[in-house]
Amino acid sequence: AQKVTQAQTEISVVEKEDVTLDCVYETRDTTYYLFWYKQPPSGELVFLIRRNSFDEQNEISGRYSWNFQKSTSSFNFTITASQVVDSAVYFCALSGTNTGNQFYFGTGTSLTVIP
Amino acid sequence: DSGVTQTPKHLITATGQRVTLRCSPRSGDLSVYWYQQSLDQGLQFLIQYYNGEERAKGNILERFSAQQFPDLHSELNLSSLELGDSALYFCASSVVRGSSGANVLTFGAGSRLTVL
Repeated sequence: AQKVTQAQTEISVVEKEDVTLDCVYETRDTTYYLFWYKQPPSGELVFLIRRNSFDEQNEISGRYSWNFQKSTSSFNFTITASQVVDSAVYFCALSGTNTGNQFYFGTGTSLTVIP
Repeated sequence: DSGVTQTPKHLITATGQRVTLRCSPRSGDLSVYWYQQSLDQGLQFLIQYYNGEERAKGNILERFSAQQFPDLHSELNLSSLELGDSALYFCASSVVRGSSGANVLTFGAGSRLTVL
């Protein structure tokens, strides 16, 4: 079964603090892909990153970084020096080779950055 | 602009009515997905089409139906609407070459449906 768990429903941080959004997944596929999407208050879903199961190298993009650990089935997302514009709902998703490109989304984490 | 176009952006209707939501995928994308996002249920996958054919079905009610036309645009039909159908309906598209799972979903801005 494919499943994505985002245990943190809501997080509030003060501007400039670092924050980590957790994502734990379950899959029986040996090849799979993990994604993060951002949904700002305006409502659209914006793609942030895709990572395949064979690439455990962490990735950094500006203030964003992602930590993929197969050993713990986690794909966590850290925002460094958070800004008010980071306030959004963040979704983690999983797609596997045996699921015909089906995406399984977590329930999302609502991040509020307080100025 | 993601390249995925959804109309209408907002729709208010009454219980028992029928509505049609429309989606034009990003140029070159062959697959269209429909998702429902309500406050208490997160993003629920409804249905996927690939090049005109139904590819996968999720938690889509029998009152709902969809299709993808030869020009690749898709329509989601919602009938006998109930209060609980009020939600944000997203369309997403992807290229989908094979079934590798690697394809990124590009989402439209959504259609917000309010059933009164």
